[in-house]
Amino acid sequence: GAGVSQTPSNKVTEKGKYVELRCDPISGHTALYWYRQSLGQGPEFLIYFQGTGAADDSGLPNDRFFAVRPEGSVSTLKIQRTERGDSAVYLCASSERPGTAYNEQFFGPGTRLTVL
Amino acid sequence: AQSVTQLDSQVPVFEEAPVELRCNYSSSVSVYLFWYVQYPNQGLQLLLKYLSGSTLVKGINGFEAEFNKSQTSFHLRKPSVHISDTAEYFCAVSDLRNDYKLSFGAGTTVTVRA
Repeated sequence: GAGVSQTPSNKVTEKGKYVELRCDPISGHTALYWYRQSLGQGPEFLIYFQGTGAADDSGLPNDRFFAVRPEGSVSTLKIQRTERGDSAVYLCASSERPGTAYNEQFFGPGTRLTVL
Repeated sequence: AQSVTQLDSQVPVFEEAPVELRCNYSSSVSVYLFWYVQYPNQGLQLLLKYLSGSTLVKGINGFEAEFNKSQTSFHLRKPSVHISDTAEYFCAVSDLRNDYKLSFGAGTTVTVRA
């Protein structure tokens, strides 16, 4: 079946602009996660959704970052007033049932964001 | 909070040779441990995980890892690699309280040569 998909695959924007990154999880997966992977580093947790609500947003770096999942499926990560330091690959993952270590997280291919 | 150190950033290896990727973690509480692989132009894929029980964990594609609590390590091994094993490998850890929250190491790039 279809895996996690993310759009766009690449996004180039200018400093100060607003961007939206989209994630389509695997059908039926109730848990959804966003991670950020900066160059030369491993992925870093941003936020975890269970259904429509953000169960843990402790990884969002500041209030310029916001994510929604209004219908419990597709999620959008929104970044306001982008900065060059926001340049990274943004990864989305989903898992069945509530997020636990017992339920494998399936990752999408990521969106590469470049802020000029 | 926990952290992961992958001791080798790059590992070149010849086809059919064994490979070991080293991972050490730091945590004040008990943890779960994972290895993920990222093939070129693909998303991260789970290779194996340690949750409890036997400290020797077998995963997909012939990989295995051993959890060593006293040394806080979770090294990944494969006895004979193939060209198709060329990829980036990430070790990750989560704690028992927020076990969905993965903390990743910086990754090890494995390049298999004929």
